[in-house]
Amino acid sequence: KNEVEQSPQNLTAQEGEFITINCSYSVGISALHWLQQHPGGGIVSLFMLSSGKKKHGRLIATINIQEKHSSLHITASHPRDSAVYICAVPLISSGSARQLTFGSGTQLTVLP
Amino acid sequence: DTGVSQDPRHKITKRGQNVTFRCDPISEHNRLYWYRQTLGQGPEFLTYFQNEAQLEKSRLLSDRFSAERPKGSFSTLEIQRTEQGDSAMYLCASSLDRGEAFFGQGTRLTVV
Repeated sequence: KNEVEQSPQNLTAQEGEFITINCSYSVGISALHWLQQHPGGGIVSLFMLSSGKKKHGRLIATINIQEKHSSLHITASHPRDSAVYICAVPLISSGSARQLTFGSGTQLTVLP
Repeated sequence: DTGVSQDPRHKITKRGQNVTFRCDPISEHNRLYWYRQTLGQGPEFLTYFQNEAQLEKSRLLSDRFSAERPKGSFSTLEIQRTEQGDSAMYLCASSLDRGEAFFGQGTRLTVV
């Protein structure tokens, strides 16, 4: 069973559309990360949130800790938003340290 | 640039050769993580350091893999006797305690 599940796996949108990417996780967490990965591999952290909502430019991230669910929204999408979006949560390991467990990512393509 | 840097960005090696990757974290970050990402998948945790101590190792980290962080600053990941299945993107991230993780650009390994 995947501990972090994202949907959809692939998403194609027209420029200007409102985008929603969903993430569900199976265990209690302290915070959730949304990451962006462009071709070539580099990962950029977009948000780290533990409750409510955060907004940065056209990006909005929400989280519902009780429902173990988070969404990433992109308003007025643009072709440069095309990337893989990954959610990640720190899960308790066998020891006291925590490390991120990642969803499989959502490939977003925004067409002009 | 004060972000996380990884070297090299790309490495092509013949099966059976040893390879070593380097990660320089953000200077004040005490935690350093290594992840592996295969095509179409989210990153998977390999190992984690707090300062110079290696505190967690994934079962993915076979005995051909070794990681060090000798002075609690930069880290190296060595793969001995590389196999084709080792071909992947190797990502490094760092954080200050449980704060936001910052990722490097990754090292793409191709074993031929």
